[in-house]
Amino acid sequence: SQQGEEDPQALSIQEGENATMNCSYKTSINNLQWYRQNSGRGLVHLILIRSNEREKHSGRLRVTLDTSKKSSSLLITASRAADTASYFCATADSWGKLQFGAGTQVVVTP
Amino acid sequence: DAGVIQSPRHEVTEMGQEVTLRCKPISGHDYLFWYRQTMMRGLELLIYFNNNVPIDDSGMPEDRFSAKMPNASFSTLKIQPSEPRDSAVYFCASSNRAAYYEQYFGPGTRLTVT
Repeated sequence: SQQGEEDPQALSIQEGENATMNCSYKTSINNLQWYRQNSGRGLVHLILIRSNEREKHSGRLRVTLDTSKKSSSLLITASRAADTASYFCATADSWGKLQFGAGTQVVVTP
Repeated sequence: DAGVIQSPRHEVTEMGQEVTLRCKPISGHDYLFWYRQTMMRGLELLIYFNNNVPIDDSGMPEDRFSAKMPNASFSTLKIQPSEPRDSAVYFCASSNRAAYYEQYFGPGTRLTVT
């Protein structure tokens, strides 16, 4: 069964707009990670937030983590057509095992 | 570093044939993971290794699937005999504890069983 559940399943926005997607999980975690997958390619790691962190930034990405609500959000600011991809959250246990959600498909139109 | 290397990139085989997928992890990574991705089931963890030892193989669908890691730089995933429902993209990924288990994925092997 999947640990992380992303919301929404699909998101369509225009270039320049912000994209926000959410992830909920069920059990305790060591850290939570976000990955991107372009069509036909492997997953690429975007950002990692540890269980004792609340917010993290990397370029146009902003991730928040609320362990009391067992939820995380990924914000992509000023989106570009190249951001079109599927985005996955994954929770890591203390043994290094990741459990992935079903992903959010993001389409950014010029 | 070349990243995680997988071969072949594409494999088409007939039902009943043996299929072997190969993976070379990133040097220095002590964890290796095999995943399967389909539209219906999403990304599934099949098995993972730590320091070449299988830690959790609960995701392996059935006895037709087996995985080995004879050394730190090579792993195989074997399906024997293959069935059409095994058609999927198979990913290998590696990580290490020092990087909080951030995983690096290979490009995947697209398997089609006819």
